[in-house]
Amino acid sequence: DAGVIQSPRHEVTEMGQEVTLRCKPISGHDYLFWYRQTMMRGLELLIYFNNNVPIDDSGMPEDRFSAKMPNASFSTLKIQPSEPRDSAVYFCASSLGGGLKTEAFFGQGTRLTVV
Amino acid sequence: AQSVTQLDSQVPVFEEAPVELRCNYSSSVSVYLFWYVQYPNQGLQLLLKYLSGSTLVESINGFEAEFNKSQTSFHLRKPSVHISDTAEYFCALDTGRRALTFGSGTRLQVQP
Repeated sequence: DAGVIQSPRHEVTEMGQEVTLRCKPISGHDYLFWYRQTMMRGLELLIYFNNNVPIDDSGMPEDRFSAKMPNASFSTLKIQPSEPRDSAVYFCASSLGGGLKTEAFFGQGTRLTVV
Repeated sequence: AQSVTQLDSQVPVFEEAPVELRCNYSSSVSVYLFWYVQYPNQGLQLLLKYLSGSTLVESINGFEAEFNKSQTSFHLRKPSVHISDTAEYFCALDTGRRALTFGSGTRLQVQP
C-alpha cells in the first residue's frame, strides 16, 4: 500500500477563496483523522470519522471549515472562505479499528498558505 | 479534558551523547501514550507506544520510554544519538476515544 495520500502537497491561495484538501486513507482502515499543525498551536485534531461517519468535529475551528467522507477511500477538508490565519500544514491520518494496538498512519501533509 | 506538555521546545545535543525528551500528561481517566517522530517535510511516524503491561517500551532504533503513572510522565530516552535522529518528536495520548492529543513537540538537533 502507498500509505495515506494527500493532495495537493502545497497550496497557495488568496484570502476569500475556497480551498479543498484531499485525502486517500490506507485501504481497509476504518478511522480517518484530520489534523492541523501550526507554530502557535502545534498539532490539533480537527475532526475524525469512523466508517465514513463523523464522530467528533469539536476541533473544527468555525463554520468556514467542513469535512466529508463520501466513501471509505476518500475524504475532503474544505475551507470557504479562506483566511490568512488558516495557513498551516494539514495532515490526514488513518488507522484500523479494533483497539489501540494499531497505530495511526499519517500522510505527508498539505502546506496551505493563504495570502 | 486531557493535555500533554512537552516543556523543551528544542534540545541540542552532540552526536553519541545521551538524550532525554520530557513529556508530562494530565488526564482524569486512564491513558495510552505514544511518541511520534516527524522528519523535515514529512508526516508523523509512530516511534513507540505504551498501552499496558511493562512500563518500559522500546523502539527498533534504540529509543525507549518509561510510563510513570505517579509522576504522570512518559519521557523518551536514547543512550547515544546519531545525526539521523535529528527531527521533531511529539508525545501524544489517547483516552480510548481513538483520537490523539499531541504535545507541542520537541525539536532534537544532533550536532557532530
